[in-house]
Amino acid sequence: GESVGLHLPTLSVQEGDNSIINCAYSNSASDYFIWYKQESGKGPQFIIDIRSNMDKRQGQRVTVLLNKTVKHLSLQIAATQPGDSAVYFCAESRGEGGSYIPTFGRGTSLIVHP
Amino acid sequence: EAGVTQFPSHSVIEKGQTVTLRCDPISGHDNLYWYRRVMGKEIKFLLHFVKESKQDESGMPNNRFLAERTGGTYSTLKVQPAELEDSGVYFCASSHQPNTEAFFGQGTRLTVV
Repeated sequence: GESVGLHLPTLSVQEGDNSIINCAYSNSASDYFIWYKQESGKGPQFIIDIRSNMDKRQGQRVTVLLNKTVKHLSLQIAATQPGDSAVYFCAESRGEGGSYIPTFGRGTSLIVHP
Repeated sequence: EAGVTQFPSHSVIEKGQTVTLRCDPISGHDNLYWYRRVMGKEIKFLLHFVKESKQDESGMPNNRFLAERTGGTYSTLKVQPAELEDSGVYFCASSHQPNTEAFFGQGTRLTVV
């Protein structure tokens, strides 16, 4: 079946480095993608989203890149800080003709060393 | 504006007992979703409400799980009778429009012993 997945389960970086978290999706009909951050004991928190009519979107210290050709999504975090340590999930959904329901991958644990 | 709130935050029950989880979505959000995360794995979809109607309940694991959203406001998820494999964190999320940002609650950690 079609699914959303992540390449790396754990990513360790040094404070100040840039982090890149990758996500592969297999449903070519998906048209909306979201990155969530989940800290211990909390629910997933929205970071940034992107629709399929874009290939890049920037937020504060974060950038999401979408490559529809290879069905790949990435989250770039600039100048990573210890407070960025968390599990990051990508989620995809399909609008018109689809279920509109966000489907999550397994998640990547980001560990930032001071 | 209040976010999505869930109650209780933790629940420990014995196998065979009943537990009811509650979710209060953001006011005005018609779309309400239930998810759960078991054993640190991926966050799995359970069901989706649009107002008081169940739009999609394809993720509900079995008939021991019953979700309601009477009046289209808060929602409850009842597990009866609970089994050991039901342990996990249950998340609720809401959104104003479908296929837009969904806001999550802090989750309810359910432990069945």
